[in-house]
Amino acid sequence: GESVGLHLPTLSVQEGDNSIINCAYSNSASDYFIWYKQESGKGPQFIIDIRSNMDKRQGQRVTVLLNKTVKHLSLQIAATQPGDSAVYFCAENIEEDTGRRALTFGSGTRLQVQP
Amino acid sequence: TAGITQAPTSQILAAGRSMTLRCTQDMRHNAMYWYRQDLGLGLRLIHYSNTAGTTGKGEVPDGYSVSRANTDDFPLTLASAVPSQTSVYFCASSEPFRGGGFLETQYFGPGTRLLVL
Repeated sequence: GESVGLHLPTLSVQEGDNSIINCAYSNSASDYFIWYKQESGKGPQFIIDIRSNMDKRQGQRVTVLLNKTVKHLSLQIAATQPGDSAVYFCAENIEEDTGRRALTFGSGTRLQVQP
Repeated sequence: TAGITQAPTSQILAAGRSMTLRCTQDMRHNAMYWYRQDLGLGLRLIHYSNTAGTTGKGEVPDGYSVSRANTDDFPLTLASAVPSQTSVYFCASSEPFRGGGFLETQYFGPGTRLLVL
């Protein structure tokens, strides 16, 4: 079946550097994407989202890029800080045959920030 | 506001026993969800509820049941636990999809860590 996946399971970066976390999706019908951050022992926390009619969206220190041609999503974190260490999930949102909209999550990428 | 609370925080359960995981939200969201999270896998939807009084099956509903008697509470019950149900369980809530719009952000609880022996 179609699914959301991630290229790298673990990403290690130096504090202050920029981080890029990638995500591939295979369902061309997906029209809304979300990035979540999950710290150890906690539930996922919303970071940023993007709709399929957009290529880029910026938040505070984070930018999401969407390339629909190759079905690729990325999360860029500027000036990575130790507090950014976590597992990051991308999720795609599609409308099911029943009309209900559902989220499908990728398996996650662990970001490790080295001091 | 507390957002979403889950109880218990963790539990060890003997196989064959029943258990109810509790979830309460104070955001007056109409939609609520239960996910399980296993090592190396993403979040998988167990059951959902678009509004009080209605429930639906997600990706992995077998062995679980839910009820939605009111807006705030969405308990998840394991009638007869099996070791494969060892997982971390997350409850989430959101405003439902509105015609022409998009699914609103899902807010997650802190999780319940369940070990079935």
